[in-house]
Amino acid sequence: DIQMTQSPSSLSASVGDRVTITCRASQGIRNDLGWYQQKPGKAPKRLIYAASSLQSGVPSRFSGSGSGTEFTLTISSLQPEDFATYYCLQHNTYPCSFGQGTKLEIK
Amino acid sequence: QVQLVQSGAEVKKPGASVKVSCKASGYTFTSYFIHWVRQAPGQGLEWMGIINPSGGSTNFPQKFQGRVTMTRDTSTNTVYMELSSLRSEDTAVYYCARVDCSDGNCPPDSWGQGTLVTVSS
Repeated sequence: DIQMTQSPSSLSASVGDRVTITCRASQGIRNDLGWYQQKPGKAPKRLIYAASSLQSGVPSRFSGSGSGTEFTLTISSLQPEDFATYYCLQHNTYPCSFGQGTKLEIK
Repeated sequence: QVQLVQSGAEVKKPGASVKVSCKASGYTFTSYFIHWVRQAPGQGLEWMGIINPSGGSTNFPQKFQGRVTMTRDTSTNTVYMELSSLRSEDTAVYYCARVDCSDGNCPPDSWGQGTLVTVSS
C-alpha cells in the first residue's frame, strides 16, 4: 500500500503569510494527487487535482506542484477563510490513501 | 447540479451492522465512480473504498475485507455502504464522494453531507 506522509501536522501563520504544505508518497504516483480543504463540521472541498490543476472557483492564491513522490500545496497570501485543515489524497493505486492532515491555525 | 444526499445518523450496538445510503442526482449515475471516506471524531480522513455504479465493481482496503459491502441500485441512483461487526472504533462520519472523470482515476470533487454513525452499548 502507498503511504502518504504529510507535513507539518500543524502550522501557525498570519493573514498575508505564504505557507507550504508537503506530501510525500512512499512510491511514485505520477501526478495522481489531489488536495482538499476541510472546515469543522463540513465535508472536504477539492482545491487541486492532478497535482497542480486548480479546481474551478478556487482562488488563485492556492497552487499545487510536484510529481512522482513529492508534492506541495502553497497558499501565496493567507486569508482569514483559509484557516482550516488540509489533506492530500493519492489515487494512483488502490487502496487510495490520505495524508494525515495539516491544521492551519491563526498566529 | 451534482448532489449526493446521504441517509441520516445512526446509533448501533457493538456487533451490529449499519447500511448508509447515498442518493445521487444531477448527472448520469452510471458514468462516475463513487468513493466512501470516513472520519472518526477529531481524526483525519480514511479511505474506505470505491464502487463503479456502472457494473458494481468495488475495491476497498484489506482492513475492511469481510466487513464492508458496497452496492448500488441503478433504478434509484443510490449507492450503499454496509459495515458489519461494528465496534466502537467505527464511530465516525461517513462520506460518499463522486469523481468527475469517466475513467475513475481522479480525486472526488462532489461530496455528500456525511452520516454520523455512533457505535455504543
